[in-house]
Amino acid sequence: AQSVTQLDSHVSVSEGTPVLLRCNYSSSYSPSLFWYVQHPNKGLQLLLKYTSAATLVKGINGFEAEFKKSETSFHLTKPSAHMSDAAEYFCVVSSGNDMRFGAGTRLTVKP
Amino acid sequence: DTGVSQDPRHKITKRGQNVTFRCDPISEHNRLYWYRQTLGQGPEFLTYFQNEAQLEKSRLLSDRFSAERPKGSFSTLEIQRTEQGDSAMYLCASSLRQTNTEAFFGQGTRLTVV
Repeated sequence: AQSVTQLDSHVSVSEGTPVLLRCNYSSSYSPSLFWYVQHPNKGLQLLLKYTSAATLVKGINGFEAEFKKSETSFHLTKPSAHMSDAAEYFCVVSSGNDMRFGAGTRLTVKP
Repeated sequence: DTGVSQDPRHKITKRGQNVTFRCDPISEHNRLYWYRQTLGQGPEFLTYFQNEAQLEKSRLLSDRFSAERPKGSFSTLEIQRTEQGDSAMYLCASSLRQTNTEAFFGQGTRLTVV
């Protein structure tokens, strides 16, 4: 069985400040982990993925995530938030046939 | 456009009616997924196909729900005797067969049961 816990349902930051969205996972196997972003009325878009290569993964739009096996975490970060980053973010775990989503973190960016 | 395509984008139906949604995956993708997303929640896994074989079904998929993928190409999701609780966004995704590759999502079909 596998599952994902996103530790914050809502994160609010000011434009230009760092972003941290937290994700813990549980998996019986060596998982692949993903972050997807969902803008209002838009489809889910892949930000980045971890598939057992480098533990620090770089994605689109300046986002990064670090896989920490000892902590079973895959937190998403960005050094400087932009207004266009306001969206819903989903952490996803996959270890075979299916993909399990977290409940999501809504990121608000204040001017 | 070579992305995942879903039809219709919106569907309003009366309680008790049957509805069918269609998903056209990216052409070379042999894996196809259906998810359901309600307001403020993450997508919930419903079912998964590899080619034409339905390999896994969630317990969320009651007897009123059925999915097919004839010939391993497009897929349909049918809901019989719709209930108000079926109102949600239904998402389709596809991916290549390789293990742990990312899935590409369609825009979804928003179902409203009145």
